[in-house]
Amino acid sequence: GAGVSQSPRYKVAKRGQDVALRCDPISGHVSLFWYQQALGQGPEFLTYFQNEAQLDKSGLPSDRFFAERPEGSVSTLKIQRTQQEDSAVYLCASSSNFRNEQFFGPGTRLTVL
Amino acid sequence: GQQLNQSPQSMFIQEGEDVSMNCTSSSIFNTWLWYKQDPGEGPVLLIALYKAGELTSNGRLTAQFGITRKDSFLNISASIPSDVGIYFCAGRGEYGNKLVFGAGTILRVKS
Repeated sequence: GAGVSQSPRYKVAKRGQDVALRCDPISGHVSLFWYQQALGQGPEFLTYFQNEAQLDKSGLPSDRFFAERPEGSVSTLKIQRTQQEDSAVYLCASSSNFRNEQFFGPGTRLTVL
Repeated sequence: GQQLNQSPQSMFIQEGEDVSMNCTSSSIFNTWLWYKQDPGEGPVLLIALYKAGELTSNGRLTAQFGITRKDSFLNISASIPSDVGIYFCAGRGEYGNKLVFGAGTILRVKS
């Protein structure tokens, strides 16, 4: 289909490793969001892009988290020196500029050992 | 920061019954969205609400945007087994585009 896709779907990392999570938004959607979902909780906002501009990164929990969207399409969320508390599902969502409906991908489940 | 209180936390109902869940906030929201999430999947958008007082239906689902802009409810009529899952409310505030989510309502249906 033409929905939001994310890869990998599952990632296991050893504590201290760097990881990179990829998001392919719906074609033509200018807005892209990253959320973190802990077990049993609702998603929590991390960061937001409009085209290639990162307009809000207020939800990033530490400077170990970095996101980019260099060409205004695909986005990568990078986590450096992973810690156990980083274990969560990372969700990507995209939306058009006309409405605020955000459409989510399937998520990447990150487990840090 | 902004927080949403979603209730009930979980519910276990008989097939065919109607279901109601709601969200309240201490802050005003400009948009309310309701999502359903199945295990291992991302949230799927069910209904979007854009104006205070708006009542919107999508099949057996009906949702309303509260007049005060601080609450919303979702009703599911004549529940069926595939309604099982976690339902989340989400709101977009007056400033910015991020969504704030409730903690979810777990729905279990007895057939």
